Parts: sequence; structure tokens; C-alpha cells
Amino acid sequence: AQTVTQSQPEMSVQEAETVTLSCTYDTSESDYYLFWYKQPPSRQMILVIRQEAYKQQNATENRFSVNFQKAAKSFSLKISDSQLGDAAMYFCVTNTGNQFYFGTGTSLTVIP
Amino acid sequence: KAGVTQTPRYLIKTRGQQVTLSCSPISGHRSVSWYQQTPGQGLQFLFEYFSETQRNKGNFPGRFSGRQFSNSRSEMNVSTLELGDSALYLCASSLFRLGPYNEQFFGPGTRLTVL
Repeated sequence: AQTVTQSQPEMSVQEAETVTLSCTYDTSESDYYLFWYKQPPSRQMILVIRQEAYKQQNATENRFSVNFQKAAKSFSLKISDSQLGDAAMYFCVTNTGNQFYFGTGTSLTVIP
Repeated sequence: KAGVTQTPRYLIKTRGQQVTLSCSPISGHRSVSWYQQTPGQGLQFLFEYFSETQRNKGNFPGRFSGRQFSNSRSEMNVSTLELGDSALYLCASSLFRLGPYNEQFFGPGTRLTVL
């Protein structure tokens, strides 16, 4: 089975500052996707960003970017210019084979 | 395009009862997956349905079952409810079968409380 580890259960950031959420994963697959999903208090899970494992270039989506280190099996999420609406639980997810594997989540608090 | 919808949003049952949850995927999506989310275990994959057939199953007892209809709507059933079944049940849909290239779209979830 694949495993996804998020070692930071909780993090906080000042509004307008930058924060990085960490994620490591374990897989024997060579072809897979990685995702960061956000789950705000309303509970609807929303895709934040995704990365194809075969691409060396790190994905960027507006204020969100990733640092993908394939050899190290590391996939961190950087949120720049943090906003109050970024407060949520963030899940690191791998999609290998025919299942999605979720990390335990990092709860992000944004301090005004 | 309407998102994934789940009904009911909240449910309270007692031990030993059974429950059926419903999920309507995004129009055109043929794959529906179910997840159980609890504070202790996080998000765990239950099963995936595609073209009315269960394609993949997580490590849950047989009390958890599901089905998918020809319009891709899916239902999940839990029989002989236990206290530990209290959780948020999330449904997610995707265009094709789960695989390395597919994105899932999640519904708001059904909060099940077992008393």
C-alpha cells in the first residue's frame, strides 16, 4: 500500500505571509499524480494543485506552488500571500494505480 | 455544471440499524468513489464504482456495500451499524476510472452519527 505522511498536524501563518506545508510519500510506482486538496470548514474538498510525477517542472497555480522532489519522494505546498480564505485542512494525496491515498492532513490557521 | 451532491447531509442512527447514503456525480462522470473520514483514521477509501460495477475496494468489512445505477448515481449502504461507523462519508466522482491521470471532484459529505 502507498503511504502519505504529513508531519505537521497544525500550522499557522500571518495574513500576507508565506507558508510551506510538507508531505512525503512512499510508492513503488513510476507513473503517478500528486495532489494537494483543501477542505475548508464547510467540508467540501477542493483541488488546490496537482503534479504529474513525470514532469520535473514544479506546478504553480496562482499563489500556490509545489516543490516536487521525486527522488526524495517529497511534495511540499507553498502558499504565498496567505489570505484568510486559505484557512482549511490541507491533504496531500497520491493517485497511483487505481486508488487515491490521503495523508492525515495539516490544519492551517491564518492569523489576521 | 452542477457539482457532486450527496444526500442526506446529516443522519443520526442507532446501533444495529442500517443506513443508505446517496451520491449524484457531476454530469458525464462515470466513476464514483466513496471515502470514510474520521478524526482518528483520516480519509480511507471504501470502494469505487464505474459503469455499475464495483471496480476497487478498500479494507472495510462486508457491512459496507454499494451500488451504481445506469445514470451513474451511487448509493452506499452500511448494515448493522456500530458506534465506530460514525464519520463523514465523502463521495467523489471522476470522468473515467480511478487512475494516475484522473482528478476527483468531491461532494460535501454526509455526516453519520451512530448512537
